[in-house]
Amino acid sequence: GEDVEQSLFLSVREGDSSVINCTYTDSSSTYLYWYKQEPGAGLQLLTYIFSNMDMKQDQRLTVLLNKKDKHLSLRIADTQTGDSAIYFCAERTGSARQLTFGSGTQLTVLP
Amino acid sequence: KAGVTQTPRYLIKTRGQQVTLSCSPISGHRSVSWYQQTPGQGLQFLFEYFSETQRNKGNFPGRFSGRQFSNSRSEMNVSTLELGDSALYLCASSSGLAGVAAGELFFGEGSRLTVL
Repeated sequence: GEDVEQSLFLSVREGDSSVINCTYTDSSSTYLYWYKQEPGAGLQLLTYIFSNMDMKQDQRLTVLLNKKDKHLSLRIADTQTGDSAIYFCAERTGSARQLTFGSGTQLTVLP
Repeated sequence: KAGVTQTPRYLIKTRGQQVTLSCSPISGHRSVSWYQQTPGQGLQFLFEYFSETQRNKGNFPGRFSGRQFSNSRSEMNVSTLELGDSALYLCASSSGLAGVAAGELFFGEGSRLTVL
């Protein structure tokens, strides 16, 4: 079945890079997404990667995909206090239309 | 362009009661999905509606139901509330198209339900 796992917490210093990791089990995943949830708000789509890609860069965000190991990561360069939030990875398989979300990683940026 | 609007934002109910939550999607979006978010279970998919038809359903009991109207607005209903139904209920709209757009969800701020 589908399962997406993330570590629960990550703390970094302002200005450092953050790397949030995610593993998934469904090898038929077609698209993988990163969402951000700030306190009291819904989720906001940050970026996505297609399963035939290894890397995608979008300004301060870099997504790396290792399909062999079913490992996805989100790197945030020059992390700012405004990046403090919960980050969710999500997968969508070809056979399903809904997303399966990970448990979320709480990123805390320390000044 | 207005975002996804969910009402009410907060509500308190007691066990055994029923509740109806409302979601107005982004204009032009035909797909509305509902998710339950709890600290213990994370984000769990409830169901998806597209053009007034339920297109997908998660693993929730029949007490959880929903519908979508011709203007794409959606409601979800939970009957015979249990303490474990306390959660943030998130609605997400999307174009409903296939491909990457299928995962491009636009979320509302949620309705926080507390069951006493």
